[in-house]
Amino acid sequence: DVKVTQSSRYLVKRTGEKVFLECVQDMDHENMFWYRQDPGLGLRLIYFSYDVKMKEKGDIPEGYSVSREKKERFSLILESASTNQTSMYLCASTLTGTNTGELFFGEGSRLTVL
Amino acid sequence: AQSVTQLGSHVSVSEGALVLLRCNYSSSVPPYLFWYVQYPNQGLQLLLKYTSAATLVKGINGFEAEFKKSETSFHLTKPSAHMSDAAEYFCAVRGSNDYKLSFGAGTTVTVRA
Repeated sequence: DVKVTQSSRYLVKRTGEKVFLECVQDMDHENMFWYRQDPGLGLRLIYFSYDVKMKEKGDIPEGYSVSREKKERFSLILESASTNQTSMYLCASTLTGTNTGELFFGEGSRLTVL
Repeated sequence: AQSVTQLGSHVSVSEGALVLLRCNYSSSVPPYLFWYVQYPNQGLQLLLKYTSAATLVKGINGFEAEFKKSETSFHLTKPSAHMSDAAEYFCAVRGSNDYKLSFGAGTTVTVRA
């Protein structure tokens, strides 16, 4: 089974702190994604990566950055956390070349910024 | 660009009753369509997917969905609801040229005993 692991299930940070959310997948997937989930808004794409050291902005990249130094790991960085970044963050991955591109999700990281 | 609209943010059904969750999509290319389920405090799990092989798609846990191109719809159904079906359900779409999924706002299902 594909395993996508997010390092922290729950985090509480203060405004202005730098926050790292880590995601690791064990199935050699080229494509990795960070989504943000908010009630009534569904999932919105923050950033994605098609390969090591490659990244592309999604629909809501402002206030976030990402890092993909190794194929299995995709990190989301909040340089200076703000209260409006309180949310559930979901990491996902998929393999290039499949005809469906089904995403495999981690269990999520719930971030509270005080 | 692709997008989906889920009609109804909350659906309440009695145990044993039909579950119907509505999803309409917008896509300029033949779409791939998905339904995901999210149980409390968990990530998303794939229920089923449409990839143009068959218009009626069967998924896990007794769910199925029908792709109707003329109506640009991909509604999810289950003939008989179970208490364990209480969860949030998301419809999603992707085009044929990339791997990004666009998600609907989600529908929360409550099952009454």
